[in-house]
Amino acid sequence: DAGITQSPRYKITETGRQVTLMCHQTWSHSYMFWYRQDLGHGLRLIYYSAAADITDKGEVPDGYVVSRSKTENFPLTLESATRSQTSVYFCATGAREDTQYFGPGTRLTVL
Amino acid sequence: SQQGEEDPQALSIQEGENATMNCSYKTSINNLQWYRQNSGRGLVHLILIRSNEREKHSGRLRVTLDTSKKSSSLLITASRAADTASYFCATDASTTGGFKTIFGAGTRLFVKA
Repeated sequence: DAGITQSPRYKITETGRQVTLMCHQTWSHSYMFWYRQDLGHGLRLIYYSAAADITDKGEVPDGYVVSRSKTENFPLTLESATRSQTSVYFCATGAREDTQYFGPGTRLTVL
Repeated sequence: SQQGEEDPQALSIQEGENATMNCSYKTSINNLQWYRQNSGRGLVHLILIRSNEREKHSGRLRVTLDTSKKSSSLLITASRAADTASYFCATDASTTGGFKTIFGAGTRLFVKA
């Protein structure tokens, strides 16, 4: 009964490398979200998905790619990581315009 | 720019006192939510208030919403050291073809025992 999980929890990578952050939920919620959290900015929405094969951009989508082939998974890929993408990434799931349930976060450092 | 802006950015109080945090936003919303985040953890949902509601209670929490002023407040009564955390407001608004949730920068609350 894990609910929502993220992996890895910590990741260090180098500039220019591709990185994929995983998010998995066991509730079958239709909506899933990716946020990044930086000091002084709170959480900013990167991408969200209303259902399998339906995704849409959030506030800061540049440099990120998402996919949702299955309802329970919502991976986030940094195609060519940059130092400005060093952040804590949170995945969330929930219903439309309702409570969101957050994962524990992935702390990503880009050197 | 962010939809939700919290005020104050940081708040330090004694255990037993009340804590009030405010959130302002810029455009029409469908609902507003408050979340809590303990250091190094994910966010935990506290309360949701819909645009047609003015006040909501949950335990020691009281949330108000004034859509005419585009503002909300979160009151924590009889605070405890365990309430020490960051508190975020989040607004849900309709967009073309969907909706978006936008978080404010948060208020850091420190409750001294």
